[in-house]
Amino acid sequence: SQKIEQNSEALNIQEGKTATLTCNYTNYSPAYLQWYRQDPGRGPVFLLLIRENEKEKRKERLKVTFDTTLKQSLFHITASQPADSATYLCAQWGGGATNKLIFGTGTLLAVQP
Amino acid sequence: IAGITQAPTSQILAAGRRMTLRCTQDMRHNAMYWYRQDLGLGLRLIHYSNTAGTTGKGEVPDGYSVSRANTDDFPLTLASAVPSQTSVYFCASRQGANYGYTFGSGTRLTVV
Repeated sequence: SQKIEQNSEALNIQEGKTATLTCNYTNYSPAYLQWYRQDPGRGPVFLLLIRENEKEKRKERLKVTFDTTLKQSLFHITASQPADSATYLCAQWGGGATNKLIFGTGTLLAVQP
Repeated sequence: IAGITQAPTSQILAAGRRMTLRCTQDMRHNAMYWYRQDLGLGLRLIHYSNTAGTTGKGEVPDGYSVSRANTDDFPLTLASAVPSQTSVYFCASRQGANYGYTFGSGTRLTVV
């Protein structure tokens, strides 16, 4: 079955540094991956979508890469700020008629001032 | 503001009781989804609807039912609540294949 894995350990970084979060998938080659941000007590918020034929996608301080050989996506936040502190979720398209997303459990990012 | 409205925001429910979680969107999205989120397990799909009048089962559908009478509303019903259904429930919708999901703020349900 399709599986998507994110580092369950929290990532602590200093303000101004680049945060890099990892998402690994197995048993399936998704057509695309998505990244979401989730704050405590709130629903996830969509950030970026990257397709399998795209190596990299950028949006302001965010950058996502997609390596189909390594079966991995990296999510980067440059010039990180304390306001970037949140849980970041990776999701792959599950395929089939549902067009459903399969989510990882997320990685908590804490940016220290 | 366009988006998804979920109600109630939280609820404590006695086991065995019936409960309907409400979800309404004003974006005219065809596809809608119900997920539950549990610590360590992430978001798991309960039911989905690709368009009004159709529904399908997700990863964890047992004990839940949905209906999609129109584009805007997608209620989730627990016929007879059990403690294992204690969770945070999120409703989501999607405009199309090139777009991400829009999520509601969630309903925190505790079954005692």
